[in-house]
Amino acid sequence: DQQVKQNSPSLSVQEGRISILNCDYTNSMFDYFLWYKKYPAEGPTFLISISSIKDKNEDGRFTVFLNKSAKHLSLHIVPSQPGDSAVYFCAVIPRKGKLIFGQGTTLQVKP
Amino acid sequence: GAGVSQSPRYKVAKRGQDVALRCDPISGHVSLFWYQQALGQGPEFLTYFQNEAQLDKSGLPSDRFFAERPEGSVSTLKIQRTQQEDSAVYLCASSPDGLYGYTFGSGTRLTVV
Repeated sequence: DQQVKQNSPSLSVQEGRISILNCDYTNSMFDYFLWYKKYPAEGPTFLISISSIKDKNEDGRFTVFLNKSAKHLSLHIVPSQPGDSAVYFCAVIPRKGKLIFGQGTTLQVKP
Repeated sequence: GAGVSQSPRYKVAKRGQDVALRCDPISGHVSLFWYQQALGQGPEFLTYFQNEAQLDKSGLPSDRFFAERPEGSVSTLKIQRTQQEDSAVYLCASSPDGLYGYTFGSGTRLTVV
């Protein structure tokens, strides 16, 4: 049973526009959430995180929003750039030593 | 080294063959993890080491999978009698403390034919 779900396998946006990637989770006890970015033939790289005590965290063009009541988080990329084209995974840390990933969303940013 | 190094990058194994995948973590990182990523899926947890102790192996799919980290640095993931469903990318990650700061290697793509 998927504890972390990314229901959109792919997303295509125009350069300069906003990209919004979504993620839902099932366990309200989760308290730390991360986004990873993955290029082909490379391992995932950490992008941004948020603790459950916050509802927003911003880092440059990347902002993560957390809606605890809906058990939903989203990643906003503004403005989107062609180099942002990659697979994006949301993840949670239920306990020390383990990450649970979503299935991933492939983002394509068109020039 | 500066990052997590995995070898080989690609491995083709005949069904029934044993394979060994190597991971060199970032120097000084106490925690080491193995994940399996099937095509079109997110990485799935296999096992976790803190130094040489294997603290969690709950994700290993069967007793054909075995991991070790005898000196608390380099780790080897061994798969015995490989089967086609073992075909996946095997990712290794290390972390200073097991909670944050995960750094992933580029993975080993295993294809069982």
